[in-house]
Amino acid sequence: KNQVEQSPQSLIILEGKNCTLQCNYTVSPFSNLRWYKQDTGRGPVSLTIMTFSENTKSNGRYTATLDADTKQSSLHITASQLSDSASYICVVSGQAGTALIFGKGTTLSVSS
Amino acid sequence: SAVISQKPSRDICQRGTSLTIQCQVDSQVTMMFWYRQQPGQSLTLIATANQGSEATYESGFVIDKFPISRPNLTFSTLTVSNMSPEDSSIYLCSVEGTGDYEQYFGPGTRLTVT
Repeated sequence: KNQVEQSPQSLIILEGKNCTLQCNYTVSPFSNLRWYKQDTGRGPVSLTIMTFSENTKSNGRYTATLDADTKQSSLHITASQLSDSASYICVVSGQAGTALIFGKGTTLSVSS
Repeated sequence: SAVISQKPSRDICQRGTSLTIQCQVDSQVTMMFWYRQQPGQSLTLIATANQGSEATYESGFVIDKFPISRPNLTFSTLTVSNMSPEDSSIYLCSVEGTGDYEQYFGPGTRLTVT
């Protein structure tokens, strides 16, 4: 069964600290993996998109990594800010024409 | 990029009634997607709506419960019919971008059924 598992479920960090969120997937065949940020009361917004051949991709203070062999991805947030408080969702796309598989998300809270 | 708006942003409805959610996109798109996000759960695709044809529903979702209209290339509606408390969720509209693998989401409609 195609699944996307994220950990931890929730995380609390102090402003200015770094953190890493994990995503494991069993989707096959694999096309691409995406990380989205979802603020409370808003729809998800894309942070990074990686295909099979990409190992890492950055978007400002967000850096995503992908290991297609082990089917694992991580999202690293550097020098966290209060505005980083949100849910971070890992999404995997399989073959063309199939639905995206969404993880349940990691809820990040950044406190001052 | 695509800018998507949804109406209403939230609603509280009584059991047995129906609610129609509107989705408006600022550009013409071929496909529009409707998702459901239940509390503590991941997003689940309800259906894909193409202009001029019947919507395609995912397993577990039926047209009688979630009728969809797609009258033109910038607008769609999703109706949640004969609601029960289990329908309490956030409903999101989404479209594909023109770039590789880009997908944009509306702000969502938070539905509570009492």
